[in-house]
Amino acid sequence: GENVEQHPSTLSVQEGDSAVIKCTYSDSASNYFPWYKQELGKRPQLIIDIRSNVGEKKDQRIAVTLNKTAKHFSLHITETQPEDSAVYFCAAADRGSTLGRLYFGRGTQLTVWP
Amino acid sequence: DTAVSQTPKYLVTQMGNDKSIKCEQNLGHDTMYWYKQDSKKFLKIMFSYNNKELIINETVPNRFSPKSPDKAHLNLHINSLELGDSAVYFCASSQDRAGGGQPQHFGDGTRLSIL
Repeated sequence: GENVEQHPSTLSVQEGDSAVIKCTYSDSASNYFPWYKQELGKRPQLIIDIRSNVGEKKDQRIAVTLNKTAKHFSLHITETQPEDSAVYFCAAADRGSTLGRLYFGRGTQLTVWP
Repeated sequence: DTAVSQTPKYLVTQMGNDKSIKCEQNLGHDTMYWYKQDSKKFLKIMFSYNNKELIINETVPNRFSPKSPDKAHLNLHINSLELGDSAVYFCASSQDRAGGGQPQHFGDGTRLSIL
């Protein structure tokens, strides 16, 4: 099955700096890569996703890049703010599978210091 | 209007007891999931149902039994609770089972604490 690895496990940045979280995956059939944000005590929420037919997607201060050859994808947050502090999860899935299963990374605790 | 709702939000009980967690989604989705999130925040899938049919059954003790009376509801019953069952349990749903290429919508979680 798919194996998703996520780095780093913790990340601290100063407000206004950029943050980058990286994930690798093992199954070349994976073609859907969502990112979820989980604030303390809350549920995971989808913040951005990318499909394998594009290399980059942007939504205001967040962007995701995908390198299919190297089997890695990254989340970029620019101009970080304290409210960006949360645990971020990457995930991978095979859209051709009938199981509807997402394989999650182990999460990155991002702390943004004011 | 909450899209995926779970009850109860908190559950504190003693070892050996039996408890249930309920989940309902009003998104019209076909597929529902149960995840366990441990103290290290890892999201581990337990079960998935598509239109009342069990499609994912991970290596979970058989003390855990899911039940889906209809496609909008997925409940989780746990027998003989153990200390290691303490975790946050999340219900989620997605449009259908057509691959993982579907956003999953999570409920607010049920924090289970075993004394």
